[in-house]
Amino acid sequence: RKEVEQDPGPFNVPEGATVAFNCTYSNSASQSFFWYRQDCRKEPKLLMSVYSSGNEDGRFTAQLNRASQYISLLIRDSKLSDSATYLCVVTPGTASKLTFGTGTRLQVTL
Amino acid sequence: ETGVTQTPRHLVMGMTNKKSLKCEQHLGHNAMYWYKQSAKKPLELMFVYSLEERVENNSVPSRFSPECPNSSHLFLHLHTLQPEDSALYLCASSYGTSGNNEQFFGPGTRLTVL
Repeated sequence: RKEVEQDPGPFNVPEGATVAFNCTYSNSASQSFFWYRQDCRKEPKLLMSVYSSGNEDGRFTAQLNRASQYISLLIRDSKLSDSATYLCVVTPGTASKLTFGTGTRLQVTL
Repeated sequence: ETGVTQTPRHLVMGMTNKKSLKCEQHLGHNAMYWYKQSAKKPLELMFVYSLEERVENNSVPSRFSPECPNSSHLFLHLHTLQPEDSALYLCASSYGTSGNNEQFFGPGTRLTVL
């Protein structure tokens, strides 16, 4: 089993749609969780951290389910500019053990 | 954007060449990282430096040799590479090596080994 698993997509959605991605992780000792965004041929950038209580940043909502070992990202009212690959990242506590998923590609269309 | 810079942006080299990748961060961070990103694979952490000391080497072949002369600069020296080493090499930096800290990535060097 991969340490961090994501559906690679692509998810093709119309502008204005709501889309959700899940990510599962295998290490139950994982403590910190993140979603990074990577545009085509660009570097990854932090989108948001994921907290146990769930957190929201504008149109983006991240949630953590420790019992089932998955995190999710919900994007409401999708924009064309949301088209990117979304990387799930987990760590047991140190950056030296940061583990990335392969990413889920989102394509928002008119 | 000048937070983390990498040079060169593209590099083509033969298997017998020696080359170096350079990374520089202007964010005042004290931890720096090298990652490898291959097509359809997750980012692989190669090396971690904290306060210029190497704290992690994730079983990387010796044909990759990192160097961190100070907290702002990181190099990756390459020699006798293989075609399967062709990938995007990303440098990142952060405040400390706690897993809670955001990592800031450079634009990467796209390496092709012939």
